[in-house]
Amino acid sequence: DAGVIQSPRHEVTEMGQEVTLRCKPISGHDYLFWYRQTMMRGLELLIYFNNNVPIDDSGMPEDRFSAKMPNASFSTLKIQPSEPRDSAVYFCASSLLRPGQNTGELFFGEGSRLTVL
Amino acid sequence: RKEVEQDPGPFNVPEGATVAFNCTYSNSASQSFFWYRQDCRKEPKLLMSVYSSGNEDGRFTAQLNRASQYISLLIRDSKLSDSATYLCVVMAGGFKTIFGAGTRLFVKA
Repeated sequence: DAGVIQSPRHEVTEMGQEVTLRCKPISGHDYLFWYRQTMMRGLELLIYFNNNVPIDDSGMPEDRFSAKMPNASFSTLKIQPSEPRDSAVYFCASSLLRPGQNTGELFFGEGSRLTVL
Repeated sequence: RKEVEQDPGPFNVPEGATVAFNCTYSNSASQSFFWYRQDCRKEPKLLMSVYSSGNEDGRFTAQLNRASQYISLLIRDSKLSDSATYLCVVMAGGFKTIFGAGTRLFVKA
């Protein structure tokens, strides 16, 4: 079975450019999470969706960041305009979560490494 | 204050040693708890869930103290392959999943 697929794996761009990161969750999973990881701040939750609906976007840094999930098999995270401080690894994760179950395993993609010059 | 706090380490231990990691969380309504492992330049992967009664998986033992909002992970008989970053994870209401910054472990021969 295919895992969570993220693209691009690496992106180098210049400050001010628009960046779009893509994620295909595992088929059948109803939760999708976007995280950002840096050495200084660790793994930060940006936003997560349930059945394509955003549940909590309180971790989105500012208006330059936006995320969408138009259908169950695709999500995007967009940064416009990008800044050097946005340089990080962006992870997408998906899961099938149900109340009362303690498994709670999130399956991560390999990440998108973004460098903004 | 961070929602999930961990000692960043690094912990440098010899093979065969026992090492313990600790984690505290701030949201008393948190419902589920986990330890994930992340190898260098890789994605995080689930190591084990943490139950109130404590649970063991081979050389790994996890414990939860809800009253103190404290989670621990004990690794016995450390192997070189245990070298990684260990992430404490807390799942709150609505399945909001927060990761600690991680504790780095280096096991040396």
